[in-house]
Amino acid sequence: GQQLNQSPQSMFIQEGEDVSMNCTSSSIFNTWLWYKQDPGEGPVLLIALYKAGELTSNGRLTAQFGITRKDSFLNISASIPSDVGIYFCAGSPYSGAGSYQLTFGKGTKLSVIP
Amino acid sequence: DGGITQSPKYLFRKEGQNVTLSCEQNLNHDAMYWYRQDPGQGLRLIYYSQIVNDFQKGDIAEGYSVSREKKESFPLTVTSAQKNPTAFYLCASSFVDEQFFGPGTRLTVL
Repeated sequence: GQQLNQSPQSMFIQEGEDVSMNCTSSSIFNTWLWYKQDPGEGPVLLIALYKAGELTSNGRLTAQFGITRKDSFLNISASIPSDVGIYFCAGSPYSGAGSYQLTFGKGTKLSVIP
Repeated sequence: DGGITQSPKYLFRKEGQNVTLSCEQNLNHDAMYWYRQDPGQGLRLIYYSQIVNDFQKGDIAEGYSVSREKKESFPLTVTSAQKNPTAFYLCASSFVDEQFFGPGTRLTVL
């Protein structure tokens, strides 16, 4: 099956710092999604990307759909303690109706030091 | 409020017993999914259903069964044939690409 490599696996940052993480695929994807999961909870959708080169923001979060269609990036600016959690990327080679199966990365665990 | 509910939040079972996890959604989504999450791992797809009365195996369907008799409901049964069932189980639903998740059920086999 398709593979998604997400990096880094974990990161420790000081409150107020910016954060970058990325996801790469072995094949072309037409949809990229970014989720955040708090401990013991289900993932929450943060940002959805559908077009190569697309840059989308959600508050302090910004995600980009790589121009090669094989990667995506998530940036968090001015981190705060509630940013702690696991961030997952997910992608699909399809878009629109029929894109039922997502491939998930293994997640980036973010810890914020006050 | 629209959303996805899963029950129970925590479930304990003895080896050899079947157990059913509940998933209900009121988002009017056609597609529903079950995933398994193990520590340090991504989400692995167990089963998915694109429409009522139809479902497909995912990557790790062995030892699990599902039904989709109503649009709102997609229960998952973990059977005694599942060799390592202790995990966090997540249900999701979608209209097209964007999947929305429930709060999860943590199953522990004693």
